[in-house]
Amino acid sequence: DAKTTQPPSMDCAEGRAANLPCNHSTISGNEYVYWYRQIHSQGPQYIIHGLKNNETNEMASLIITEDRKSSTLILPHATLRDTAVYYCIVRPHSGGSNYKLTFGKGTLLTVNP
Amino acid sequence: GAVVSQHPSWVICKSGTSVKIECRSLDFQATTMFWYRQFPKQSLMLMATSNEGSKATYEQGVEKDKFLINHASLTLSTLTVTSAHPEDSSFYICSTVRTGTNYGYTFGSGTRLTVV
Repeated sequence: DAKTTQPPSMDCAEGRAANLPCNHSTISGNEYVYWYRQIHSQGPQYIIHGLKNNETNEMASLIITEDRKSSTLILPHATLRDTAVYYCIVRPHSGGSNYKLTFGKGTLLTVNP
Repeated sequence: GAVVSQHPSWVICKSGTSVKIECRSLDFQATTMFWYRQFPKQSLMLMATSNEGSKATYEQGVEKDKFLINHASLTLSTLTVTSAHPEDSSFYICSTVRTGTNYGYTFGSGTRLTVV
């Protein structure tokens, strides 16, 4: 499995953009970058995923570098409810139903009022 | 996205007793489900892969006789912690995976198990 590296924690002011980095220097050509988040004492929640193009949805934007060795998750206007642990995960898109999702330590994002 | 229901959300039991946790896929037939365990301030650790109609596949170091997994139907997988001990106290989370979608993993809300 390709591994990811994330800072253990980050702070962000409410209303400002939160930019969460992730390094995945050993990513393979068929592996996608997925982002999940886990609010305290809840199950993880899907945020966004991408292969090589930048992606945007109602929750966030994903910027992937041209060499695909790193990416940044952007929450454009962070709110207090965005305080959570954010996990960056790489996995093959067509891994079949038995492909395991391996979680690293993630980044604890704290949004401050 | 898919909807996964996990029950109970929390449970307290005495040492030596068994506890069953249910994970239900409410809107699609899940042939595969996953069970994770999460200790305080740690990440999710995969325990086992539950396959409908067959034996579960356990990760290295997870005792299959202690953590019994049953996936008898396409909408229900259960995890039974047998002869629970205080060190089994943890947050247990299930997930389903939906093939053919881009973000196929949906997680339950988790079960907080406390063994006293």
